Amino acid sequence: DTGVSQNPRHKITKRGQNVTFRCDPISEHNRLYWYRQTLGQGPEFLTYFQNEAQLEKSRLLSDRFSAERPKGSFSTLEIQRTEQGDSAMYLCASSSGGTGGLSEQYFGPGTRLTVT
Amino acid sequence: ELKVEQNPLFLSMQEGKNYTIYCNYSTTSDRLYWYRQDPGKSLESLFVLLSNGAVKQEGRLMASLDTKARLSTLHITAAVHDLSATYFCAALARGGSNYKLTFGKGTLLTVNP
Repeated sequence: DTGVSQNPRHKITKRGQNVTFRCDPISEHNRLYWYRQTLGQGPEFLTYFQNEAQLEKSRLLSDRFSAERPKGSFSTLEIQRTEQGDSAMYLCASSSGGTGGLSEQYFGPGTRLTVT
Repeated sequence: ELKVEQNPLFLSMQEGKNYTIYCNYSTTSDRLYWYRQDPGKSLESLFVLLSNGAVKQEGRLMASLDTKARLSTLHITAAVHDLSATYFCAALARGGSNYKLTFGKGTLLTVNP
């Protein structure tokens, strides 16, 4: 399968714990995006990488959130000191570098986080 | 800041009927996407519309784009139960150093026998 993959698919954690999610983009894609989707809403942009550089962060991304993409391949999204409001589906997407950012984004299956 | 509004947010239809979902966006957009999402699943790309007057059809779904009105529509013809899902439109526009996708809240479609 050559699509975007995410792990884990589901994560249940207690409030105050740290969690880390992983995204493996389509291999030739140099752009990688993270989105958050809460129940009944559309996905909201969190952050964006071009290769290993994190070029943009949404104001939704509080100080407790950090994302990395070492070597421009897979990416991790870490949430520290989780809160119940962090419960959501976290979606990763990737796109090719052609057409300057206009390329279609391909979405992974998502990681569903539940904070109890 | 680009805003995307969909209506209706909830749509219950009978099999065999036709209906349209509307998607308005607030500023100029470079691309307009329609996605389908089944419960607990990720997004499946349905259509990408690039220019004014674009129309695309796949099976019982047809999407169109009017850039002057900043309006896209998703028309459902002779609905069947398998079309039950949440449908999102998303507009792609340049914001800062990057093109960003902004999604609507989605339309939860239920097709009843």
